[in-house]
Amino acid sequence: SQQGEEDPQALSIQEGENATMNCSYKTSINNLQWYRQNSGRGLVHLILIRSNEREKHSGRLRVTLDTSKKSSSLLITASRAADTASYFCATAPSRGYSSASKIIFGSGTRLSIRP
Amino acid sequence: DVKVTQSSRYLVKRTGEKVFLECVQDMDHENMFWYRQDPGLGLRLIYFSYDVKMKEKGDIPEGYSVSREKKERFSLILESASTNQTSMYLCASSIPGRGTDTQYFGPGTRLTVL
Repeated sequence: SQQGEEDPQALSIQEGENATMNCSYKTSINNLQWYRQNSGRGLVHLILIRSNEREKHSGRLRVTLDTSKKSSSLLITASRAADTASYFCATAPSRGYSSASKIIFGSGTRLSIRP
Repeated sequence: DVKVTQSSRYLVKRTGEKVFLECVQDMDHENMFWYRQDPGLGLRLIYFSYDVKMKEKGDIPEGYSVSREKKERFSLILESASTNQTSMYLCASSIPGRGTDTQYFGPGTRLTVL
């Protein structure tokens, strides 16, 4: 079952605009991560936010986490054509150690940047 | 930099064949994972391993087995390939106990079963 669900499933914006993607999850978590996947390639880790953090920045990326609403958002500012990819949130549920290393991926948002 | 490699980018097999997908990581990670990725379904965990010769079933282990004889290598085996196993297969590794669970992925193997 998918813990994280991204919204929207697909997003198309003009180059230079900001892109916002949302992720909702169901159980309590230790942390939430965002990954990026270029077409036909593996996933690349972008940013991690821990359950006791509310906001985190990395370059043009801004991630927020609202544990009361069990949701997160990823904002990409000043988008570029090279940002075209699929973006996945992944949650690390706060369960016992035997499962501590497993993370659960959502189904992703496909982002297209129009030149 | 962590490097995770997979033996093939593209693979075409016939129904009933035994298929081996190999994954190697060079960062001495204890954890290794195999996922399959299908359109609209995201990544689904097939098996993972937290140590040499140790393995646990993921969400969809049916029709698959795994082998981890050495720490750096994790193999996914399709005992008798079927057309519904046509998919993108992704391998990943991570370090346990650091509180981050960040996974490092290989480039993927796109398997087609005819």
